[in-house]
Amino acid sequence: NAGVTQTPKFRILKIGQSMTLQCAQDMNHNYMYWYRQDPGMGLKLIYYSVGAGITDKGEVPNGYNVSRSTTEDFPLRLELAAPSQTSVYFCASSYFPATYEQYFGPGTRLTVT
Amino acid sequence: QKEVEQNSGPLSVPEGAIASLNCTYSDRGSQSFFWYRQYSGKSPELIMFIYSNGDKEDGRFTAQLNKASQYVSLLIRDSQPSDSATYLCVEGAQKLVFGQGTRLTINP
Repeated sequence: NAGVTQTPKFRILKIGQSMTLQCAQDMNHNYMYWYRQDPGMGLKLIYYSVGAGITDKGEVPNGYNVSRSTTEDFPLRLELAAPSQTSVYFCASSYFPATYEQYFGPGTRLTVT
Repeated sequence: QKEVEQNSGPLSVPEGAIASLNCTYSDRGSQSFFWYRQYSGKSPELIMFIYSNGDKEDGRFTAQLNKASQYVSLLIRDSQPSDSATYLCVEGAQKLVFGQGTRLTINP
């Protein structure tokens, strides 16, 4: 199993550009999550999904959109990038409620200038 | 809004000693807690999960939960340089709330 994969690993965006961060998992997990982590801080939940076709906002959803058309994929869309969106983005998945453990991807480091 | 508070450190501990990491949480109704370890530049990984009052031991790691005091701790015995990392205290189940993390350095 590859686990949770994320692409790209690094990206530099100009202010106002848009991009999609890709996330995929091959563990047949029902729940998937997007977090952002600013320097020296913990992770903050952006959006999450409890299954294909179902998504909900987390703590910091403004400026982002998600969709989940399949169990495996959970892309995060940034529209009109702003410097405040400079962060490391982690995707995670879990098989809730059988297990509470979340498995994290390697992260995408995004810089908006 | 639920909050989890940790001392950001850095916490410096000599090799072989006991490292003690602490956090407090705001929601008295919180039921389950986790400790995730995050090496620099890497993603978090789960090391302990606790939901009952008292202690839970796993190898060199002991998690402690005191719901009356809304306090969670992690003890690392016989600390090794490979334990140097940021430790994230986390609350939740379906959705997780992360503390800011405590950076731990084990000095040889």
